[in-house]
Amino acid sequence: AQSVAQPEDQVNVAEGNPLTVKCTYSVSGNPYLFWYVQYPNRGLQFLLKYITGDNLVKGSYGFEAEFNKSQTSFHLKKPSALVSDSALYFCAVRDGDSGNTPLVFGKGTRLSVIA
Amino acid sequence: DSGVTQTPKHLITATGQRVTLRCSPRSGDLSVYWYQQSLDQGLQFLIQYYNGEERAKGNILERFSAQQFPDLHSELNLSSLELGDSALYFCASSVQPHSYNEQFFGPGTRLTVL
Repeated sequence: AQSVAQPEDQVNVAEGNPLTVKCTYSVSGNPYLFWYVQYPNRGLQFLLKYITGDNLVKGSYGFEAEFNKSQTSFHLKKPSALVSDSALYFCAVRDGDSGNTPLVFGKGTRLSVIA
Repeated sequence: DSGVTQTPKHLITATGQRVTLRCSPRSGDLSVYWYQQSLDQGLQFLIQYYNGEERAKGNILERFSAQQFPDLHSELNLSSLELGDSALYFCASSVQPHSYNEQFFGPGTRLTVL
């Protein structure tokens, strides 16, 4: 069965500084990896995904993520954080080799960007 | 706005009651997913439908059931409600049910069981 770990419950970063939200995964087949963001009282918004190809994936709002197969990681990054990036971030994985497996989410990391 | 709509936005009910949550997927999306989000369990997959047929089942209780109608909207029925069923229930949709398709989430229904 697949699983996702987001080791940090909370990440604090100053506005203008680079940010990283960490994610590691476990899956028996090929990983399909996703990042979502949740703002207060809103549903989850899709940011980016890795299916195959280039290990560096670019997504919405200036976010990007790097797939590292040897470290089974898919960390979310942004070169310069904005206060408006403050939200709850979820990493998710599906097993690409096992047909229609469900999307499994991590527990989420709360990002706080301080002005 | 993802294009996925959910009603109602809030629902307050008593233990033992039954409620129905409704979801309309994005235009053109054939697959619908239901999730439960709670503080202790996080975001849990409940069930998936594709073009009217059940496609996958997750941690869905026997007291819960769902269906997808010919117009592709979906309903999640929760019965014999318990305090622990209080949570945010999200619906998501995707074009196809393939693992590589991203899912688009609705705003959720917040269920409070008193």
